[in-house]
Amino acid sequence: KQEVTQIPAALSVPEGENLVLNCSFTDSAIYNLQWFRQDPGKGLTSLLLIQSSQREQTSGRLNASLDKSSGRSTLYIAASQPGDSATYLCAARLSGTYKYIFGTGTRLKVLA
Amino acid sequence: EAGVTQFPSHSVIEKGQTVTLRCDPISGHDNLYWYRRVMGKEIKFLLHFVKESKQDESGMPNNRFLAERTGGTYSTLKVQPAELEDSGVYFCASSPTRSGAQGEQFFGPGTRLTVL
Repeated sequence: KQEVTQIPAALSVPEGENLVLNCSFTDSAIYNLQWFRQDPGKGLTSLLLIQSSQREQTSGRLNASLDKSSGRSTLYIAASQPGDSATYLCAARLSGTYKYIFGTGTRLKVLA
Repeated sequence: EAGVTQFPSHSVIEKGQTVTLRCDPISGHDNLYWYRRVMGKEIKFLLHFVKESKQDESGMPNNRFLAERTGGTYSTLKVQPAELEDSGVYFCASSPTRSGAQGEQFFGPGTRLTVL
């Protein structure tokens, strides 16, 4: 049974810091892994999607990496800004299925 | 291109009542998914439609939940009768059949359901 864990559960950093959010999964037979952002009371915004054959994806200040063998993905945020404050979720999709298994998220607060 | 839309955005009902949630996927997306997040827990998969057919309903919690997608366009999720533990946020997502092997799912804003 696939389980997805995110550490830390909450993080508070000063503006400008580079930070890393961690996501681990128990079953390495994943099809892809998607990182989302959720603002309070809002829906999920897709940030980055990494296919199982890829090692990393980049979009602007965001970089997501994937290491299937160790069951880990990281989301790197460079030069954090107060606008980055949100909950970040990772979700893994197992091969042969369409459903995503979500982690509980990391609640990020970037202080001005 | 319009995104996934969900209606209503909020619903407050009393225990024992019936509620119907609606999801309109992105036009042309054959795959439609329902997920939910109950208080303090992670988002969990409920079911997956391919057009009008249920492909995977392994996440449906019990027979009080009924999902339909007549005509393969919009979908409804009915909860009857609602219980307190059904409170949470219900998300809908969609994806195209041919997604360039990306498999990305596009999520709606969710419906916040409160059962009193």
